[in-house]
Amino acid sequence: QQPVQSPQAVILREGEDAVINCSSSKALYSVHWYRQKHGEAPVFLMILLKGGEQKGHDKISASFNEKKQQSSLYLTASQLSYSGTYFCGTLRNQGGKLIFGQGTELSVKP
Amino acid sequence: DTAVSQTPKYLVTQMGNDKSIKCEQNLGHDTMYWYKQDSKKFLKIMFSYNNKELIINETVPNRFSPKSPDKAHLNLHINSLELGDSAVYFCASSQDRARGPGGNGYTFGSGTRLTVV
Repeated sequence: QQPVQSPQAVILREGEDAVINCSSSKALYSVHWYRQKHGEAPVFLMILLKGGEQKGHDKISASFNEKKQQSSLYLTASQLSYSGTYFCGTLRNQGGKLIFGQGTELSVKP
Repeated sequence: DTAVSQTPKYLVTQMGNDKSIKCEQNLGHDTMYWYKQDSKKFLKIMFSYNNKELIINETVPNRFSPKSPDKAHLNLHINSLELGDSAVYFCASSQDRARGPGGNGYTFGSGTRLTVV
């Protein structure tokens, strides 16, 4: 039931791009994305609802393929501040349980 | 400041003791949650309350008892603490269970690091 994220870890140089994937074996109502910096709380990035939408703010965007039950988070022209652990969370129905993936650790180096 | 606040931030206690963690949100959200994050960073939902009503109760030992006196507060009481209870416990809140377009997701508190020795 837990979504699977890939890769588990990625190291980037400033300015490089990255993609983090999140897959579920079950039909999904929505996908959330969060970023957690070391020793801090997870911070909400965006929600995607079924319907195959794509969202973005600043240089971080995401897509949701409802048919494949997959979502991808795109980080372009990465900055040092993007470092942290990224979690996807999936909801199978409105008002259901938000189940998180195992996380992807992203490190951006100068 | 609008936020989800948890107390205490750190809790070190001996096995067998009973402890409580408190959470308050002033965001006007309807739903509150407890999540446990283990040493491998896995975030697992424990409980959820909507307007003081328990709506999610995961497979958690009954030593853990949540209580929501009103929709702005959610506390977690843990009896007979065990070494395996050591983790970071996060409180979170959401409006309308984070549904619908324009939803703002979950807002997490800063966490309580519980260490059982």
